[in-house]
Amino acid sequence: DIQMTQSPSSLSASVGDRVSITCRASQTISSHLNWYQQKPGKAPNLLIYAASSLQSGVPSRFSGSGSGTDFTLTISSLQPEDFATYYCQQSYSTPHTFGQGTKLEIK
Amino acid sequence: QVQLVQSGAEVKKPGASVKVSCKASGYIFTRYAMHWVRQAPGQRLEWMGWISAGNGNTNYLQKFQDRVTITRDTSATTTYMELSSLRSEDTAVYYCASSRGDYYGMDVWGQGTTVTVSS
Repeated sequence: DIQMTQSPSSLSASVGDRVSITCRASQTISSHLNWYQQKPGKAPNLLIYAASSLQSGVPSRFSGSGSGTDFTLTISSLQPEDFATYYCQQSYSTPHTFGQGTKLEIK
Repeated sequence: QVQLVQSGAEVKKPGASVKVSCKASGYIFTRYAMHWVRQAPGQRLEWMGWISAGNGNTNYLQKFQDRVTITRDTSATTTYMELSSLRSEDTAVYYCASSRGDYYGMDVWGQGTTVTVSS
């Protein structure tokens, strides 16, 4: 199985900050990398698919980059509604494994 | 609009089985894959398996291979996930989520079904 490792596991930031979360795959996954946002008690919400494609309806302050084994999710200017947990997920091969999550908290 | 509506919360005893349903609407059911993902309290998301709504092909996470069955009823546009031989570690929220294909991620999610396994 492909292992997905995110860093950091938690992050404190302020409204207006630019933040980045990284995700590393244990083997190459081409661009089959997705990012999700999850708020407490809610289902995950797809933000980015295919490493860098913005899902319809998602604000443009979210962006994704990378290919192969190393990927990054960037939020250009944090808004209050962005404080949540973020997960990467590979869809290159089954099982479609998730990272352990990054909890983004208000500083 | 596109939506997935799951069945309600379940409480089961160890050793029992649970069957969770996921009713799809607002899109052509057979063109998408349906995934099942679970999340134990305070834990990461765990992909369990998926089914091609078109041809019924399935693929499961190895750890669930002998206990999980995902099926679909195309006439009812509903997918089912059955997990047998339940143990306390199976206590979790179970989600269904649809995908246009491996390149597109899971873009529509059900609201989640809480399954509690307790004696």
